[in-house]
Amino acid sequence: GESVGLHLPTLSVQEGDNSIINCAYSNSASDYFIWYKQESGKGPQFIIDIRSNMDKRQGQRVTVLLNKTVKHLSLQIAATQPGDSAVYFCADQTGANNLFFGTGTRLTVIP
Amino acid sequence: SQTIHQWPATLVQPVGSPLSLECTVEGTSNPNLYWYRQAAGRGLQLLFYSVGIGQISSEVPQNLSASRPQDRQFILSSKKLLLSDSGFYLCAVGLGQLRYFGPGTRLTVL
Repeated sequence: GESVGLHLPTLSVQEGDNSIINCAYSNSASDYFIWYKQESGKGPQFIIDIRSNMDKRQGQRVTVLLNKTVKHLSLQIAATQPGDSAVYFCADQTGANNLFFGTGTRLTVIP
Repeated sequence: SQTIHQWPATLVQPVGSPLSLECTVEGTSNPNLYWYRQAAGRGLQLLFYSVGIGQISSEVPQNLSASRPQDRQFILSSKKLLLSDSGFYLCAVGLGQLRYFGPGTRLTVL
């Protein structure tokens, strides 16, 4: 079956440090990956995506790395800020309506 | 850009009572619409999706149902709620491969 999971359920970082959130997937046919951020009591918000023909993509303060060899995805947040505290989900898409979400990693930023 | 409205924002219902959650979308036409449920500490589970008026696909067999009476309206219903129906219900619009989520409805079944 298909699964998208996270190595760590919680992550605490000092304000100003970089954060790295990891995700593993099992379906080698997956060709599209998305990271979402979900603040408490709100719906998930799109952060960044990457296609399987890429191994790195950068946004504003965020970078997604894809390692297809080991089926691993990571989200790097530079200079983490208190507003980055949230649950981060990776999602794996294999079709128009097949978007599978991991359970999420809770990031806590310590001032 | 699209805007997604969901109501109510929170709901507490007794076991066995009916349910109706509403989602409306602005800023886009003929969108693909989705209902997801998020249980505490869990990921998002796809419940239903719709590619057009009256067209509903169910992903998980359960006591919930969905309807799409208008292009930009998506309704999640139940005739009799179970304790296990508690969770955070999210409506989403699909644009390409992305999902844009609404603010959610927190449902507690007691």
